[in-house]
Amino acid sequence: QKEVEQDPGPLSVPEGAIVSLNCTYSNSAFQYFMWYRQYSRKGPELLMYTYSSGNKEDGRFTAQVDKSSKYISLFIRDSQPSDSATYLCAMWGNAGNMLTFGGGTRLMVKP
Amino acid sequence: GAVVSQHPSWVICKSGTSVKIECRSLDFQATTMFWYRQFPKQSLMLMATSNEGSKATYEQGVEKDKFLINHASLTLSTLTVTSAHPEDSSFYICSAPRAGTEAFFGQGTRLTVV
Repeated sequence: QKEVEQDPGPLSVPEGAIVSLNCTYSNSAFQYFMWYRQYSRKGPELLMYTYSSGNKEDGRFTAQVDKSSKYISLFIRDSQPSDSATYLCAMWGNAGNMLTFGGGTRLMVKP
Repeated sequence: GAVVSQHPSWVICKSGTSVKIECRSLDFQATTMFWYRQFPKQSLMLMATSNEGSKATYEQGVEKDKFLINHASLTLSTLTVTSAHPEDSSFYICSAPRAGTEAFFGQGTRLTVV
């Protein structure tokens, strides 16, 4: 079993829909949680960063962390075709700076 | 703007030659940087951890002599693919954590070996 599980998709939604992307993890030592967006042939771009449990909102994006369930989510409101990309969750604990990634979810927002 | 700059963004080289990829942290110092390899439609695979002033730490299965890493300063790490072969063609991405919290990625380098 992988340390971080993420549905690879593809997830196809109409423009304007609310998108929910999720990851589950098994290592209770993880405390820092990140979501990255990666367009084809580009490096990942940091979207959201949260520490421990709770919610964080930034524009159309909301990140949620539920450490008790070992479950994190990224919500995208009013999705746009430009949101079409692969979304990677990543996390780490206090020991070292090495990220553990989910496999990525490919999102397609259709006009 | 980008906080981690990676260069070149793409390179084509002949089999048997070496290619150097640079990763720079632009507005912060990074004692540690990470090098990843990514195959099409797959997630990032950690190749090695680059440590400023000391030897890099390689993941299992990654050839140290083929993928040379040098972390000469607090803002620069380089990955040199030596004696490149077509199977080394891939997307290489570096990452640098800032203050032990957020991690930023370079733009990636697409290497094609012909």
